[in-house]
Amino acid sequence: GENVEQHPSTLSVQEGDSAVIKCTYSDSASNYFPWYKQELGKGPQLIIDIRSNVGEKKDQRIAVTLNKTAKHFSLHITETQPEDSAVYFCAASMGGSSNTGKLIFGQGTTLQVKP
Amino acid sequence: KAGVTQTPRYLIKTRGQQVTLSCSPISGHRSVSWYQQTPGQGLQFLFEYFSETQRNKGNFPGRFSGRQFSNSRSEMNVSTLELGDSALYLCASRGNSGSETQYFGPGTRLLVL
Repeated sequence: GENVEQHPSTLSVQEGDSAVIKCTYSDSASNYFPWYKQELGKGPQLIIDIRSNVGEKKDQRIAVTLNKTAKHFSLHITETQPEDSAVYFCAASMGGSSNTGKLIFGQGTTLQVKP
Repeated sequence: KAGVTQTPRYLIKTRGQQVTLSCSPISGHRSVSWYQQTPGQGLQFLFEYFSETQRNKGNFPGRFSGRQFSNSRSEMNVSTLELGDSALYLCASRGNSGSETQYFGPGTRLLVL
């Protein structure tokens, strides 16, 4: 069935270092891959997304890469700051005309950025 | 634009009771999806409504139901509550059937005693 595996479950880095979170999806029909950041007591906030016709996308300190052949996608955060500390979720869904609004989420990664 | 709003934010119920949660999407958005978030199971899709019709449903028992009104506001109902229904219930809205980006509300924290 549909499944998204996310690693690592926890990640601790020093301020200024880079952080990488990796996800693998099972459904080859998936073509939309968003990343969400969830802070304590809040709902998930979209930080970046990528579609299957693109291999990489960057937005300031955040970048996402996608390898469709291997069904892998990754989130890269550079120059981490304490305010980046949160739980990060990857997700996959079928986009475009097949979009049914169903996101399959990974289990989440708790990122801690130490000052 | 105002974001997705959910009411109430916190709720305490006892086993066997039923509960109704409400979600108001971003103005102009016609699709609302519901998710359950628990420490053990993570974020799981419940169902999606678009233009008052349920278009997709996750693997949850029939005790979980929903509806959407003509103004796109949505309600989710859980009947005969069980302890395991304690969770954060999130709703997300998106603009139309071709739009993929989902914007989440703050959630309703439900505790079943």
